[in-house]
Amino acid sequence: GAVVSQHPSRVICKSGTSVKIECRSLDFQATTMFWYRQFPKQSLMLMATSNEGSKATYEQGVEKDKFLINHASLTLSTLTVTSAHPEDSSFYICSAIRDREFGYTFGSGTRLTVV
Amino acid sequence: KQEVTQIPAALSVPEGENLVLNCSFTDSAIYNLQWFRQDPGKGLTSLLLIQSSQREQTSGRLNASLDKSSGRSTLYIAASQPGDSATYLCAAFNTGGFKTIFGAGTRLFVKA
Repeated sequence: GAVVSQHPSRVICKSGTSVKIECRSLDFQATTMFWYRQFPKQSLMLMATSNEGSKATYEQGVEKDKFLINHASLTLSTLTVTSAHPEDSSFYICSAIRDREFGYTFGSGTRLTVV
Repeated sequence: KQEVTQIPAALSVPEGENLVLNCSFTDSAIYNLQWFRQDPGKGLTSLLLIQSSQREQTSGRLNASLDKSSGRSTLYIAASQPGDSATYLCAAFNTGGFKTIFGAGTRLFVKA
């Protein structure tokens, strides 16, 4: 079955620093990858959609300069939270899709805490 | 604009009970609908994927149905177990693109 690996699973960083989160599709080539943010006891909020070799499409209200997304290959997308602040603390999850017919496969998520 | 609603928001049942989780969507132009499970602090695990041309999918004790005309999907869990305790989310995949809309989820607690 399709597997998506996301790491790190947890990261604590100081305010003002940048953090990179990786999302890899291990056994398939993902035409599209997605990044979500989830607040406690709330559903997923789509942040951006990334396609290999092109710029990410950000959802309204998401700062593209703060949340940098790079989709360098068909198996890897990265989310970099730049100049992180405590309000950026959240659970970030990526997902990948090979073809709509197969649905989404999600990573295990990254708990970011900015202190 | 697609909206996905899940009812109930939370559910507590005794072990062994059969239960139904509901998911409704406003735009019937969906490509497929997917049910996920999320454990606290974890990512999402896909449970069942129903294509728009299908009426239901089954996996073990789980059965998901889809009625596009009424904009509804249900997830039936038979003989619930404490290990089933988690948040269950449904997601509708619209035909217009790759964007998927998630419901807010149903938090299920199965008491031993």
